[in-house]
Amino acid sequence: ETGVTQSPTHLIKTRGQQVTLRCSSQSGHNTVSWYQQALGQGPQFIFQYYREEENGRGNFPPRFSGLQFPNYSSELNVNALELDDSALYLCASSLDRERTEAFFGQGTRLTVV
Amino acid sequence: KNQVEQSPQSLIILEGKNCTLQCNYTVSPFSNLRWYKQDTGRGPVSLTIMTFSENTKSNGRYTATLDADTKQSSLHITASQLSDSASYICVVSRLSGTYKYIFGTGTRLKVLA
Repeated sequence: ETGVTQSPTHLIKTRGQQVTLRCSSQSGHNTVSWYQQALGQGPQFIFQYYREEENGRGNFPPRFSGLQFPNYSSELNVNALELDDSALYLCASSLDRERTEAFFGQGTRLTVV
Repeated sequence: KNQVEQSPQSLIILEGKNCTLQCNYTVSPFSNLRWYKQDTGRGPVSLTIMTFSENTKSNGRYTATLDADTKQSSLHITASQLSDSASYICVVSRLSGTYKYIFGTGTRLKVLA
């Protein structure tokens, strides 16, 4: 166990809907990163939050947005869901944004129909 | 273009045998390189992390090497076990004001009894 928990574990949504995924980071970690992993592919970096502020973003449209709370837990919001958004969404926390190890949660499997 | 390429895409070996997985990258400026093990449908688990000045790092039966000049890394698994069956993902972090993580697509390893 990495101490990083994600909820829900599985989710089915309809195209056009909005979804919120949640991540509770490991105790003491102030940095959270989110990734999208399509079936059979490696994870793609979405964005990173450090001390409640966005600290880097990958090539994802603005309908992917996030939030980090004072306790360093985080949310990933996706608006106007598309079929291609179906994937495993991974959250990783690290002690800080520098060269430290990232610990991943188990992921949320999102299916858009 | 910042890319991470892994080879082979998939590999089947017999239990007890050794194997080596390759990772080539064109990420710049380089910060660090990590190897992760990911079981199907689960979050990645860190095996090793190496910075520019580190050439080799071991974690039990896993040994990673890094040649920053040629931008190549390898992960060597010794005396493979059935539980080693998983995807192995190489991740290169880019130092560019904010960190950005570039994932390889992984090598899917199957260990047979």
